[in-house]
Amino acid sequence: SQKIEQNSEALNIQEGKTATLTCNYTNYSPAYLQWYRQDPGRGPVFLLLIRENEKEKRKERLKVTFDTTLKQSLFHITASQPADSATYLCARAGRDDKIIFGKGTRLHILP
Amino acid sequence: DADVTQTPRNRITKTGKRIMLECSQTKGHDRMYWYRQDPGLGLRLIYYSFDVKDINKGEISDGYSVSRQAQAKFSLSLESAIPNQTALYFCATSDPQGRAGGDTQYFGPGTRLTVL
Repeated sequence: SQKIEQNSEALNIQEGKTATLTCNYTNYSPAYLQWYRQDPGRGPVFLLLIRENEKEKRKERLKVTFDTTLKQSLFHITASQPADSATYLCARAGRDDKIIFGKGTRLHILP
Repeated sequence: DADVTQTPRNRITKTGKRIMLECSQTKGHDRMYWYRQDPGLGLRLIYYSFDVKDINKGEISDGYSVSRQAQAKFSLSLESAIPNQTALYFCATSDPQGRAGGDTQYFGPGTRLTVL
């Protein structure tokens, strides 16, 4: 079956440092991976998409990588700020056009 | 105005009651979804609809039903609510031809449902 796993339930990072979140997938490589941000009591919000043939994608302080050998995506937030504290969800394209979400990693940026 | 709206935002009900959660969207997307989110279990797909005449079961459809009344409206019903259906419910839309790429999901604000 297609699985997507975010290994860390929670991560504490000092303000100003780079936060790195990990997402691993099983089975075949998806056509793309996505990252979403979710604040408490709110719906997830799309951040970035990276395709199978792309190694890296950037958006402002965010960077996503896609390693088909390791079956892994890394999500980086550089110069982290307390406002970056949230839960971050990784998602993969599945079969039948459905998106499969990981359970998320709660990121805490400590002032 | 929000692109994807859900009503009600909070609901407390009793075991055995019938509940309907409603979702409306102004994004003009054909695809709509219902998810539930539980602590430690992440987002799980209940039902999805790729157009008005298309309804499909997701991962956890037992105990739920849906109705796609129009392109913009997708309702989720719990025919006889039970306590383990207490969760946060999200509606989402998507457009696989959209600028974001992929089948990017656009979520509503959620409905917090408590079944006593």
